[in-house]
Parts: sequence; C-alpha cells; structure tokens
Amino acid sequence: EDQVTQSPEALRLQEGESSSLNCSYTVSGLRGLFWYRQDPGKGPEFLFTLYSAGEEKEKERLKATLTKKESFLHITAPKPEDSATYLCAVSGSGGGADGLTFGKGTHLIIQP
Amino acid sequence: NAGVMQNPRHLVRRRGQEARLRCSPMKGHSHVYWYRQLPEEGLKFMVYLQKENIIDESGMPKERFSAEFPKEGPSILRIQQVVRGDSAAYFCASSPRAGLGEKLFFGSGTQLSVL
Repeated sequence: EDQVTQSPEALRLQEGESSSLNCSYTVSGLRGLFWYRQDPGKGPEFLFTLYSAGEEKEKERLKATLTKKESFLHITAPKPEDSATYLCAVSGSGGGADGLTFGKGTHLIIQP
Repeated sequence: NAGVMQNPRHLVRRRGQEARLRCSPMKGHSHVYWYRQLPEEGLKFMVYLQKENIIDESGMPKERFSAEFPKEGPSILRIQQVVRGDSAAYFCASSPRAGLGEKLFFGSGTQLSVL
C-alpha cells in the first residue's frame, strides 16, 4: 500500500525566511510524485510533477526535488500570499487504486 | 475554459436522507475522480470513472455510496441514508488522459454537513 508522510504538520515563517517542506513516501513503482497547493475552502491547485530521482522543478519562489525516498518543496524568500496548505501525493503502479495517495499536508503561514 | 465545476458548494442533509453531488469535468476531459477530505485528514481516493464506466471503485464504501458518469451530463456521487460520519468535503478531479502519472485538475469541492 502506498504511503505518504509530510512534515512538519505546520510551519510559521517570517516573510523572506526560506525553508523546506518534506514528503516521505513508500510506493511500488513510482509513476509520479505531485505537489499541490490548497487554499481554505478550495480544491487543490497543481504545482509540480516529478517522475524520477534527481529531478528538480521550479516555479517562482518554489522548487521541488525528488530522491528515491522523499521529496522536498523548497520555498525561497516567501511572501504572505504563499500561505496555504501544501499537499504531496504519489501515483504508483503496484496494482493499487488508480487514484493518487495524498499526505495530510503542511500548513504554511508566512507572516509579514 | 472553465475549470472543474462542482455543485452544490454546500449541502446540508439530515440523517437518513440522500445526498447527490455533481461534477462537470473540464472541457475535453473524460476521466473523473472523486476524493473525500475529512477534517485533519488527507484527501482519500474514492472512485475513478470514465464516460459510462467505473474503472476503479476500491476507495468507495461498499454500502450507501455509488457513482456514475453518464454519456451526457455531469458525474454524480450519490450517498444514500447519510450518517454523521459522512460529513466531509468531497472533491472531484478530472484529467484529459488515462495514466497513473497524469496530473489532476480539482474542483472547489462540496462541503456535506449531516445533521
């Protein structure tokens, strides 16, 4: 069974204070690791897909990296508008459900 | 190009009533997924459908829950005889292609409250 664990559960940063969010996963045959952003009362919004260890992707102040056991979402010089819950999910080919397996998320607060 | 549309946004039902949640995928998308999000829990996969077919319902409770995606019209998630434990946010997502590595586009969800 695919599993995703995200840490920390919550993180409070000052504006401009860089940090990283962690996503540890176990999956049989990784097809993709996904990062989503979710704002209160809304559905998840796609950020990145990573397919293989060593891959990196960037978008504005966010950078996602992938190893064989975990992924990091690095946030550089964050702004208050980056405050949201960040979700990590995996898709595996191990014969399980066709849907994504999500972690519980990291609730990020950026204080001005 | 409108995104994934879900309605209603909020639904209140009394115990024992039926709840019907609707999802219209993005234009050109024929693959629909339903997820449930409980407070303090992650999103949990429920069911994956293509037009007129249920592909994977392994995440859906065996009783009281059903889903369909007809040839015409939105996908429907139906919950019969609701109980308080069914209170949650239900999200629909769509994708244009099959494939476990495909990213999903999510709607804003339906918040179901059971009194």
